[in-house]
Amino acid sequence: GAVVSQHPSWVICKSGTSVKIECRSLDFQATTMFWYRQFPKQSLMLMATSNEGSKATYEQGVEKDKFLINHASLTLSTLTVTSAHPEDSSFYICSAREVRNSAPGAFFGQGTRLTVV
Amino acid sequence: EDQVTQSPEALRLQEGESSSLNCSYTVSGLRGLFWYRQDPGKGPEFLFTLYSAGEEKEKERLKATLTKKESFLHITAPKPEDSATYLCAVQNFGNEKLTFGTGTRLTIIP
Repeated sequence: GAVVSQHPSWVICKSGTSVKIECRSLDFQATTMFWYRQFPKQSLMLMATSNEGSKATYEQGVEKDKFLINHASLTLSTLTVTSAHPEDSSFYICSAREVRNSAPGAFFGQGTRLTVV
Repeated sequence: EDQVTQSPEALRLQEGESSSLNCSYTVSGLRGLFWYRQDPGKGPEFLFTLYSAGEEKEKERLKATLTKKESFLHITAPKPEDSATYLCAVQNFGNEKLTFGTGTRLTIIP
């Protein structure tokens, strides 16, 4: 089956620094990638949708200057958390949609646990 | 606004004790309803997509069903390895976005 690889699995950073998370589709081309955030015991909340070669579309309340998303190729999207603060600590998960597959979220990465200290 | 409510929040079963998880939803036009399994510290693992009322899908000990207002995930004779959080999500015809419920945390006791 299709595989989405997310890296790193966990990261600890100091407040004020930036962190980059990578999401790769390993065996298919992903025209669209989705970035979610999940707080403990809460549901996944969509942060943004990115299409290859174009600017990401952010959900209401998500700061686009703080959460930078790049989708430069059909197999790679990155999320950069800029000037991270403790309240940004969360579980970040990406999802990729295959070119020929209309299901928006069939394939998820394994997630990245971000802790800002 | 699309809404998804899952119940119960947590469920403990003895091994072999069958039960059902509920996902109630409100959506203006249902494009699809999705079930996922999520293990602690991991991303969701896709289980099923249901598209129309009356549809059913099965995978091993799991069977998902769909009506116009809710979906059930039936688990038959569960094993300890079935312990996980089960998430339900809906997609509206109007956009690509998935709206998730908060999940049911299932624990199967040996």
